[in-house]
Amino acid sequence: QVQLVESGGGVVQPGRSLRLSCAASGFTFSTYGMHWVRQAPGKGLEWVAVIWYDGSDQFYADSVKGRFTISRDNSKNTLYLQMNSLRAEDTAVYYCARDLCGGNCYDENWFDPWGQGTLVTVSS
Amino acid sequence: SSELTQDPAVSVALGQTVRITCQGDSLRSFYASWYQQKPGQAPVVVMYGKNNRPSGIPDRFSGSSSGNTASLTITGAQAEDEADYHCNSRDSSGNHWVFGGGTKLTVL
Repeated sequence: QVQLVESGGGVVQPGRSLRLSCAASGFTFSTYGMHWVRQAPGKGLEWVAVIWYDGSDQFYADSVKGRFTISRDNSKNTLYLQMNSLRAEDTAVYYCARDLCGGNCYDENWFDPWGQGTLVTVSS
Repeated sequence: SSELTQDPAVSVALGQTVRITCQGDSLRSFYASWYQQKPGQAPVVVMYGKNNRPSGIPDRFSGSSSGNTASLTITGAQAEDEADYHCNSRDSSGNHWVFGGGTKLTVL
């Protein structure tokens, strides 16, 4: 079945780095855009970044631009999120999600499925 | 970028109808998608596009949109529908996405 499994979360000090991974299975990973979405404790969802199916383009939320890098290895069916210069406000559960689209693939997008999430805690 | 606004909390009596709304300028150009999230679980898509339900989502869920407002309607709410509901769309730039703040639905 279609599945996404995140890993790499943990406790890290402010200013340090962490890399998250998202292993995909059950679908042709190389033909789908992929997103990272995060959720701070007790808060709503926040979109973090997207990468095109072939890795040709990436876009980031203003809150992480210049600090986080989304990438993918289509030969390994794996999505990554390199997080540098971490701050306390980056503490959250991080989810990866597949991008699906309809019509012209521009005005109709949705995320399905989502991984189970991995918790990142930034604390000294 | 742009924002999507949701009511923080909504309640509905068991078996009654409830509408959850999402407002934002980007909804004039982009369809909303809706996600149900229960405590300790990952979000699950329940509605996308004009009014599309993924397989496995009960037909008591429906979607609509008018102007800058998208709505998710549950007709005949069940106890298992109690959850947080999040709306999402591309933002006005077209290259970023944005979520609403989420609506906590309580089924009384």
